[in-house]
Amino acid sequence: AQSVTQLGSHVSVSEGALVLLRCNYSSSVPPYLFWYVQYPNQGLQLLLKYTSAATLVKGINGFEAEFKKSETSFHLTKPSAHMRDAAEYFCAVSEEAGTALIFGKGTTLSVSS
Amino acid sequence: DADVTQTPRNRITKTGKRIMLECSQTKGHDRMYWYRQDPGLGLQLIYYSFDVKDINKGEISDGYSVSRQAQAKFSLSLESAIPNQTALYFCATSDSGASIGYTFGSGTRLTVV
Repeated sequence: AQSVTQLGSHVSVSEGALVLLRCNYSSSVPPYLFWYVQYPNQGLQLLLKYTSAATLVKGINGFEAEFKKSETSFHLTKPSAHMRDAAEYFCAVSEEAGTALIFGKGTTLSVSS
Repeated sequence: DADVTQTPRNRITKTGKRIMLECSQTKGHDRMYWYRQDPGLGLQLIYYSFDVKDINKGEISDGYSVSRQAQAKFSLSLESAIPNQTALYFCATSDSGASIGYTFGSGTRLTVV
């Protein structure tokens, strides 16, 4: 069965520092992978998705993620954190197009000035 | 109008009451999903439906039921609400094709007292 593990329930960085949020997946087939962001008291917003094209995926707000099959990972990065990036981030996987997304437990990103 | 509309946005109900959360979509998608979000647990799949005649249990279906009244409508019911069903509930849709996209509603915040 597919599953997602997000390492670190809480990550704190300084403004301007590198953001690295970790996601490892378990899937019996090549997966589709997603990162979503949830700002306080809001719904989910898609940051980026991997759909078996380029392994380095660029998303919105300066975020990107790299699919590494050998490491079963899809870590999210941003070179320079901004205060507005403070939010909760979810990694999700689906094994087939249009099937149910399975989510990780989320990582809360805090950004300090 | 939003592509995926959830009603109500907020609801407080008493233990033992029956409550229905409604979801409607204008995306024309075949597939619809209900998730609940709890702090530290991410989003967990409650039920999903691939078409009007197809209903499937997700990870945490106990205490919930669903109805797919039409392609565009998918309702979630709590037959006898209990306090640990207090959560944020999301409806989502996806296409059965290769577009690999999911659309989420804004969520319903349910409090059971």
